[in-house]
Amino acid sequence: AQKITQTQPGMFVQEKEAVTLDCTYDTSDPSYGLFWYKQPSSGEMIFLIYQGSYDQQNATEGRYSLNFQKARKSANLVISASQLGDSAMYFCATNTDKLIFGTGTRLQVFP
Amino acid sequence: NAGVTQTPKFRVLKTGQSMTLLCAQDMNHEYMYWYRQDPGMGLRLIHYSVGEGTTAKGEVPDGYNVSRLKKQNFLLGLESAAPSQTSVYFCASRDFNRGNYEQYFGPGTRLTVT
Repeated sequence: AQKITQTQPGMFVQEKEAVTLDCTYDTSDPSYGLFWYKQPSSGEMIFLIYQGSYDQQNATEGRYSLNFQKARKSANLVISASQLGDSAMYFCATNTDKLIFGTGTRLQVFP
Repeated sequence: NAGVTQTPKFRVLKTGQSMTLLCAQDMNHEYMYWYRQDPGMGLRLIHYSVGEGTTAKGEVPDGYNVSRLKKQNFLLGLESAAPSQTSVYFCASRDFNRGNYEQYFGPGTRLTVT
């Protein structure tokens, strides 16, 4: 069975600083994907970044990068140059046919 | 394209009442999903479908039924609502292409069972 663990219920970061949100995963599938989603207070789920298990390079999307360490089964999200609008819940997830989510990390960015 | 839409956006039910949540997508996606989100629990998969006419159970299927009679629609039914089913329900869809794993989410339905 697949499982996602996010051990940080909440994180604080100052504006313009970088922050790392932790995610570890457990899956027996040889091929899988890892995702990060952002959920602002308005409630919608916003796709941020995707990493395939066979991708050789870490995924990047603008200010978001995914630090993928396959041997450690970790897929941490790095947000560079934090902005006030980054304050939200962040969910890590993994899938083959179905998407399994972690419990999320609440990020708060302060001026 | 409207993407993924959900009907209704809000609903209050009394214990024992039934209702159906409708999810519609206009992206011709094969895969569709229903999740529930409770405070502090993240999203948990209720049921999913890998194509028209097929459904499968997720992590928390008890108390729910689903149907996928048309490719673009995925219905979630509560036959006899219970207070434990108070939650926010999200629908999502995904292309069959295994190179494109992104799931597209609807805006959510907030359900309260009293």
